[in-house]
Order: sequence, then structure tokens, then C-alpha cells
Amino acid sequence: GAGVSQSPRYKVAKRGQDVALRCDPISGHVSLFWYQQALGQGPEFLTYFQNEAQLDKSGLPSDRFFAERPEGSVSTLKIQRTQQEDSAVYLCASSLYDPAEAFFGQGTRLTVV
Amino acid sequence: QKEVEQNSGPLSVPEGAIASLNCTYSDRGSQSFFWYRQYSGKSPELIMSIYSNGDKEDGRFTAQLNKASQYVSLLIRDSQPSDSATYLCAVNENTGNQFYFGTGTSLTVIP
Repeated sequence: GAGVSQSPRYKVAKRGQDVALRCDPISGHVSLFWYQQALGQGPEFLTYFQNEAQLDKSGLPSDRFFAERPEGSVSTLKIQRTQQEDSAVYLCASSLYDPAEAFFGQGTRLTVV
Repeated sequence: QKEVEQNSGPLSVPEGAIASLNCTYSDRGSQSFFWYRQYSGKSPELIMSIYSNGDKEDGRFTAQLNKASQYVSLLIRDSQPSDSATYLCAVNENTGNQFYFGTGTSLTVIP
């Protein structure tokens, strides 16, 4: 596609509900990143994929967070048993290889009520 | 703990003036430095990268890096109202794939 596409753009979840956030990277991009951006803060790294391999998940805040990219293209970030502190914008970025050349998607704004 | 510090602002400058945005970082191992612009409700957009000490110019933008002082700055010349946004500083070690972002500086250019 023309850019990184994320869906849904907005998600409201009740506390305790599971959510799944989707990222469609730019076609052919090998590297894929997930970031969490709380209101008034900069993005914080969550996890990194190279093709289907999750090479770094050190930023995932708890075992409630899980990410996958089974075919090396589309990625899903899943949050189980959502809590209010999970409310944030979740940004996906992709690059051919170099993280410095990553393009960001528009993000999914998650609100947990 | 890797930290990237920015003055959150807001920073207001009149149209046509120079806007100066500053960033300090804690990890001396950082090798790559970036400035992103983020309009309200939009995703970050890379505007400048710098890897070595000194100045790097691109149009109205100049990035300045001083590794000894662990300081990186962005100058915007001839500021335009369309430059009004939050500017995020990010650093990368080159040994990993993590970017560490500051909290951003909000810039308003007043017509």
C-alpha cells in the first residue's frame, strides 16, 4: 500500500476486555515496530519484528501484551484484560531495513473505560 | 535508564523568526539522532537525522549535535504557521532497534 495502515483508528474497550490492533506495513518492508504513546508523551518502544521473527519484545509492559507477525507482513498487537493505564495511542512503523527510515501509521487510539 | 529530555514548552515564536528546540540525552552510547514533527492527532514524521558532531542543514532546518555535551538541537529558520506542531527528539544506539523519544516540545508560530 501507499503507507502504513492501522485499524481500527479508535477503540473503546471496557476494563477487562481483550483487544486486537492491526498494522498493515508498507509492502516489502522487512522491519516493523510497535510503539505506545500516552497523552502528552513521546512514543515508547514496545516490540520489533524482522519479517516474522520478533527480535525484541523488551518494551512490552506486561505479559498481557502480545504481538505477532506470522507471515512477515501484517502484524497484530493484542492486549488481554485491558486496564485503564493501557489507554494510549498505539503506533506501528515499518521500514525496509533501517529503523531510521521507518514510516509511522496513523495509530490506534485505545481508550479503556 | 536511557533518558531523552526536552523542554515541553509551549514555545511561541513570531512568523519569520528562528525557532530553537533543544534535547539532551543520557546514554553516551547513542549514535544516531533524529527530529520528528508530529501534528496534533497525527503520526510522527521524520524531518532530520544527524549522526556526527556539528551542523546539518536541510532547507529551513538545521540540526546540531554535540556528543561531548550530549546535546542535540533543531533550528527552524523563517518559521511559518505550518511549522506549528510538537517536535520529538529521538536517539538510537545503532546496536539495537529501539528509538528512545523525548516527550516533545510544542511549537506555535504566531502569524
